[in-house]
Amino acid sequence: QQQVKQSPQSLIVQKGGISIINCAYENTAFDYFPWYQQFPGKGPALLIAIRPDVSEKKEGRFTISFNKSAKQFSLHIMDSQPGDSATYFCAASSGPMNYGGSQGNLIFGKGTKLSVKP
Amino acid sequence: DGGITQSPKYLFRKEGQNVTLSCEQNLNHDAMYWYRQDPGQGLRLIYYSQIVNDFQKGDIAEGYSVSREKKESFPLTVTSAQKNPTAFYLCASSVGSGYGYTFGSGTRLTVV
Repeated sequence: QQQVKQSPQSLIVQKGGISIINCAYENTAFDYFPWYQQFPGKGPALLIAIRPDVSEKKEGRFTISFNKSAKQFSLHIMDSQPGDSATYFCAASSGPMNYGGSQGNLIFGKGTKLSVKP
Repeated sequence: DGGITQSPKYLFRKEGQNVTLSCEQNLNHDAMYWYRQDPGQGLRLIYYSQIVNDFQKGDIAEGYSVSREKKESFPLTVTSAQKNPTAFYLCASSVGSGYGYTFGSGTRLTVV
């Protein structure tokens, strides 16, 4: 129930196209859903995040769509560019945890390697 | 600038040796984490700490040890008991558990 399932594992998109990465979760206590972007040899960096009280959040070319009833959320990258080529991780958490518990830790998906072809 | 510093960037270890990876943050974050990353495996939690002088095991703690004597520092020791230590190790911190992780740039450990 603590898992976050991410798909696809890899994705190839042409420059200018739309990249879509999907994640699904089971734990209805999750209330924070961030996406991280990681370039080779670097640590992941927070890209965009959403809470379940909204169905969509947009920041520039990046949009999170959230479907609470289906327990799914997705990242859309519009007008994909070669510089977007990276590994993307979705994650979820149930917020600040009680001392000694682990329920609040971020649970990460396994990642999607995106390649944008010029 | 505030951030997390991991050192060294590359580390080579002989079999049977213990090695310590450094993680320092100046973000005044309470929580700190260590992750291991292998190709196709995503991020796997090794240890985490919510407060100084306290830490908990994550999903793959066997063969690893940590300490949290200062708020700013959370070093990870890879012991000789870890049979497959070659991996990319990431340290992270957050203000409160579960929100807004900031990651370091990682340490790539290779057993030679």
